Amino acid sequence: GAGVSQSPSNKVTEKGKDVELRCDPISGHTALYWYRQSLGQGLEFLIYFQGNSAPDKSGLPSDRFSAERTGGSVSTLTIQRTQQEDSAVYLCASSLEGTPLHFGNGTRLTVT
Amino acid sequence: GNSVTQMEGPVTLSEEAFLTINCTYTATGYPSLFWYVQYPGEGLQLLLKATKADDKGSNKGFEATYRKETTSFHLEKGSVQVSDSAVYFCALSSHTGANSKLTFGKGITLSVRP
Repeated sequence: GAGVSQSPSNKVTEKGKDVELRCDPISGHTALYWYRQSLGQGLEFLIYFQGNSAPDKSGLPSDRFSAERTGGSVSTLTIQRTQQEDSAVYLCASSLEGTPLHFGNGTRLTVT
Repeated sequence: GNSVTQMEGPVTLSEEAFLTINCTYTATGYPSLFWYVQYPGEGLQLLLKATKADDKGSNKGFEATYRKETTSFHLEKGSVQVSDSAVYFCALSSHTGANSKLTFGKGITLSVRP
């Protein structure tokens, strides 16, 4: 079956521009996560959606970052006024509650 | 808060060598522990897991035992192959309320030479 799909796979943007990253989770998965993978920093938790509960936004690094999940399915991570330190691979994962995460291949964001 | 500490990398081994990758954790309660692997050009995938103390997770010849007394979950393999070259992440999931997000270590790159 289809796995977690992320788009675009690569994004190059100029400093100060806004970007939107998309995640299509596995159908039926109630939990959706965004992580950021930076060189030498491992995986940094950003935000977590679980069903209809309020999202856990505790990992968002600044108010330039936001995410939403429409209809309990597709999620969009938005970064406003991008900075060079935002360059990283942004990973999305989905799961059923209490089961292992399934990750997408990520979006590689480069801010020039 | 929760945290995961992995040994510094990268690690380079010859084929058929013994592998140990250390992982220790700090968490409240009784977390579940995981090893995820990221092969070149692919997304992260679950390698193995253990959900309670003294459990041993195993897959593809890899093993890790949940040691509560030493708060560790070291990954081992008796004989590595070139195809094991990848980045390995240790992670934990606490079960506080509805929040079961994973906390990851920094990852370690393993390169296996023929």
